[in-house]
Amino acid sequence: SQQGEEDPQALSIQEGENATMNCSYKTSINNLQWYRQNSGRGLVHLILIRSNEREKHSGRLRVTLDTSKKSSSLLITASRAADTASYFCATDARGSTLGRLYFGRGTQLTVWP
Amino acid sequence: KAGVTQTPRYLIKTRGQQVTLSCSPISGHRSVSWYQQTPGQGLQFLFEYFSETQRNKGNFPGRFSGRQFSNSRSEMNVSTLELGDSALYLCASSLGGETEAFFGQGTRLTVV
Repeated sequence: SQQGEEDPQALSIQEGENATMNCSYKTSINNLQWYRQNSGRGLVHLILIRSNEREKHSGRLRVTLDTSKKSSSLLITASRAADTASYFCATDARGSTLGRLYFGRGTQLTVWP
Repeated sequence: KAGVTQTPRYLIKTRGQQVTLSCSPISGHRSVSWYQQTPGQGLQFLFEYFSETQRNKGNFPGRFSGRQFSNSRSEMNVSTLELGDSALYLCASSLGGETEAFFGQGTRLTVV
């Protein structure tokens, strides 16, 4: 299965601290996307990183991709209580453009004020 | 521009009934995909449509079906509902190919 896995399953930190979440996947990809989901709501797109990119930034977010290790990390700097949510990575399948994304189980991030 | 719109937001149905969920993609997006999210199974792919053609289908029974219209709006239908169909159903739209996929707020289906 292509399905990715996020690590850790749960992360609890104080406001102002950095939060790092990891994602591993199994087969070659075209790109990897990170999403945030607040309790029971839709997925919010955070960032897309392509297989030929190693690092990407967006505001307080930094994403890295290591295709040799089939892994990615999401760093949220100076976290806020509003960052409390579940975070998912999603991959496609190399050579496929058929719109299917493979998700892991997510990391539940709790940021305490 | 407007995001992905899913209707209705909440549904309660009885076992054996059928249900139709709707998804309006972002303007200009031709790919719409559907996912089921449950606490036990996580996010599972149902199917994907591009320009009214189903290109990809997940491992769900035939009770789950969908279609896409010429304006790219999509519907999914679940017939003969079972308790286990209770879930959050999410649709995503994209331009197709290797581009970002944007999700709607989901439809929370409860089967009683």
